[in-house]
Amino acid sequence: GNSVTQMEGPVTLSEEAFLTINCTYTATGYPSLFWYVQYPGEGLQLLLKATKADDKGSNKGFEATYRKETTSFHLEKGSVQVSDSAVYFCALYSGGSNYKLTFGKGTLLTVNP
Amino acid sequence: EAQVTQNPRYLITVTGKKLTVTCSQNMNHEYMSWYRQDPGLGLRQIYYSMNVEVTDKGDVPEGYKVSRKEKRNFPLILESPSPNQTSLYFCASSLTVTSGNTIYFGEGSWLTVV
Repeated sequence: GNSVTQMEGPVTLSEEAFLTINCTYTATGYPSLFWYVQYPGEGLQLLLKATKADDKGSNKGFEATYRKETTSFHLEKGSVQVSDSAVYFCALYSGGSNYKLTFGKGTLLTVNP
Repeated sequence: EAQVTQNPRYLITVTGKKLTVTCSQNMNHEYMSWYRQDPGLGLRQIYYSMNVEVTDKGDVPEGYKVSRKEKRNFPLILESPSPNQTSLYFCASSLTVTSGNTIYFGEGSWLTVV
């Protein structure tokens, strides 16, 4: 079956540091890949997505590139801010009538001033 | 504003007391779904609905029921809640079941069963 593995947290960084959160996946076919973010006390928001190999999703300074050869979709940001503190989820959709997203376990990011 | 609205946001209830978590979307989406989020497990799908009167089980449907009588509403029903259903619940919706369509999530409902 499908699975998503993302790096264990928590991740603690200082403001303006470089961020990488690793995400690898196992799926049949050609899945679409997503990063969702959950700010404290809020629901899930789509951060970025990529639907085919070599696509780069980007939003709010975050980027992730769909790498089929390494089955990866790592999230990066060049300079994090305190307001980026949240839980980040990597997810995939590989087709099927249930349109089920398969999520990773989430990575808690804390950015200190 | 495009929204998926869940109620209640927070609830503490007792074992066996039936409860309903409501979900409503204002985007005329065909597809709706329920997930539960548990520490260390990520999000898991409970039920989904492709359209009005069409529902089906996800990965963890035991102990839950759903209905889809109107396009905008997709309530989650716990007929006899148990402590293992203590969790954070998310409702989600999407225009259709097509890869690339964004799935929108509600703000979540924290449920504690004692």
